[in-house]
Amino acid sequence: ETGVTQTPRHLVMGMTNKKSLKCEQHLGHNAMYWYKQSAKKPLELMFVYNFKEQTENNSVPSRFSPECPNSSHLFLHLHTLQPEDSALYLCASSQDSEVPQETQYFGPGTRLLVL
Amino acid sequence: GQNIDQPTEMTATEGAIVQINCTYQTSGFNGLFWYQQHAGEAPTFLSYNVLDGLEEKGRFSSFLSRSKGYSYLLLKELQMKDSASYLCAVRDRGTDKLIFGTGTRLQVFP
Repeated sequence: ETGVTQTPRHLVMGMTNKKSLKCEQHLGHNAMYWYKQSAKKPLELMFVYNFKEQTENNSVPSRFSPECPNSSHLFLHLHTLQPEDSALYLCASSQDSEVPQETQYFGPGTRLLVL
Repeated sequence: GQNIDQPTEMTATEGAIVQINCTYQTSGFNGLFWYQQHAGEAPTFLSYNVLDGLEEKGRFSSFLSRSKGYSYLLLKELQMKDSASYLCAVRDRGTDKLIFGTGTRLQVFP
């Protein structure tokens, strides 16, 4: 139990659907992250929020839209995705994204399949 | 540029010792992390090195040489439950981002 939960754990969607991924952290952290993990590729950072402010958008296509209503919750809104977007989407949190030694704690991920 | 290299797969025997290497190139170095990820689960933190040398934590140790851009994770007295992927990640000083390697999938056999 890492203190970071994600729902749903699995999602299958068509290219015209709209869905949202949810992440919640119970660790009292101030920074939250979205990562994409594809087979045989490194974890790719997508977005960073620090104290509810988006501090990083790592050239992510606009079909992915993050939302951070408070420091405990993070959403990833998905629309008109492509099959190559199929991957494991991991949420993480840390105390402060600008402190180098801060450990990031990961959720179990949402396995997304786009048909 | 930024580049993290680690072997794709390794195998070892229960009770043995295994060393997983990681080499990196970044524009600015601000610490190196090792994570363990079992299939279908969240990556979990194992170790953090920012100064040269060896950090020991139970059966796991991590070593860093900043001048060589090199780290290794040493696992002793291997157990079957150690079968997992091991992710090396470097924090880039300029961007504060964690840059991950592709991970090393370790299989432990009886």
